[in-house]
Amino acid sequence: NAGVTQTPKFQVLKTGQSMTLQCAQDMNHNSMYWYRQDPGMGLRLIYYSASEGTTDKGEVPNGYNVSRLNKREFSLRLESAAPSQTSVYFCASSEIGVGSNQPQHFGDGTRLSIL
Amino acid sequence: QKEVEQDPGPLSVPEGAIVSLNCTYSNSAFQYFMWYRQYSRKGPELLMYTYSSGNKEDGRFTAQVDKSSKYISLFIRDSQPSDSATYLCAMSAAGTGKLIFGQGTTLQVKP
Repeated sequence: NAGVTQTPKFQVLKTGQSMTLQCAQDMNHNSMYWYRQDPGMGLRLIYYSASEGTTDKGEVPNGYNVSRLNKREFSLRLESAAPSQTSVYFCASSEIGVGSNQPQHFGDGTRLSIL
Repeated sequence: QKEVEQDPGPLSVPEGAIVSLNCTYSNSAFQYFMWYRQYSRKGPELLMYTYSSGNKEDGRFTAQVDKSSKYISLFIRDSQPSDSATYLCAMSAAGTGKLIFGQGTTLQVKP
């Protein structure tokens, strides 16, 4: 049972470089999410996709773009990396039922350092 | 003021102790409440999930929600060294799917 798979696990970038973080889930969930986790800040939502074909901004979207490639895959792109984007990035997925919320399931993260 | 407040700790207890972890929140629309456990260099894993007010028990873990006080708790009985991790509370309003997380509490259980 893979659940939510994120690639790469680690990455070091120079300021101004671009990269794409990949996420795939095999639980047939409709909704997918990207978070960043910084010390003392908990997890903050960057972007989410409630269903295939839709994306919306979260709490901290500036400097990021996303693509919901299909039901399984949701990618996060940094167009011009900045040191402030050094963080651990987590992807999650869930189902949203009518009248109920289902818990989110997380991948193991991508640790990104920007020099 | 953050929507969800959680004491970051760290919290250190001896093996076998009862642990109490707490979060307060300000948004009365929250109806779904979760506790996640996160081991070092891993993703958060769901520990407890409750809807509205009340208690839920699962083995050594008990989650309590008091919506009137906007306060949730996680109790761990007979704590074990393997419980050493960061515990994150999270909550959401109905139909949104968007979770709001506390800052996380780091727990160490000493043998």
